Amino acid sequence: DTAVSQTPKYLVTQMGNDKSIKCEQNLGHDTMYWYKQDSKKFLKIMFSYNNKELIINETVPNRFSPKSPDKAHLNLHINSLELGDSAVYFCASSQDSGGSPPKQYFGPGTRLTVT
Amino acid sequence: TQLLEQSPQFLSIQEGENLTVYCNSSSVFSSLQWYRQEPGEGPVLLVTVVTGGEVKKLKRLTFQFGDARKDSSLHITAAQPGDTGLYLCAGAPIGDMRFGAGTRLTVKP
Repeated sequence: DTAVSQTPKYLVTQMGNDKSIKCEQNLGHDTMYWYKQDSKKFLKIMFSYNNKELIINETVPNRFSPKSPDKAHLNLHINSLELGDSAVYFCASSQDSGGSPPKQYFGPGTRLTVT
Repeated sequence: TQLLEQSPQFLSIQEGENLTVYCNSSSVFSSLQWYRQEPGEGPVLLVTVVTGGEVKKLKRLTFQFGDARKDSSLHITAAQPGDTGLYLCAGAPIGDMRFGAGTRLTVKP
């Protein structure tokens, strides 16, 4: 059984479009994350949600908005896509361990290409 | 500059060789994690080191956390083609997780 799943795996779209990436975890974790991995493989956190509250919001454009309909899902909506948004986006989840950074489980990634 | 600097950025070796990759920072971390990411997949956690000077072994992989908790190293003994991948170190100095840029390892048969 897949622990953290993302759809779609590949997404090709034109500049200016609005798109969404879905993420689901079946681990019962209380925190979910979105990461962006650029062409140089640098993995950077974008958002995290804990119990439906946004607790980290890095300096990402407000064109990006996370939506969490429930504890098991954290979707990423992107408006007015730009060429620089092309990257691989990873969803992850973890259970708060109350101390050390928790073990994060990553999804397989969504490769977004903006043309 | 990145919070976590990894070196080398690229490493290509022959099967059977030993190697060490490094993760350095000017910040102190309560713990550091190492992940391996294979092409087309998400990162997978290998180990978490918590105590300064700690050494953890995972089969042929040896992880060390610096005494000052500012750096870590990963040593692989007798590398195999299956070790090929991107090795990422990560830590959370002030609450949010930060990743290094990674070391891309290629082990040739």
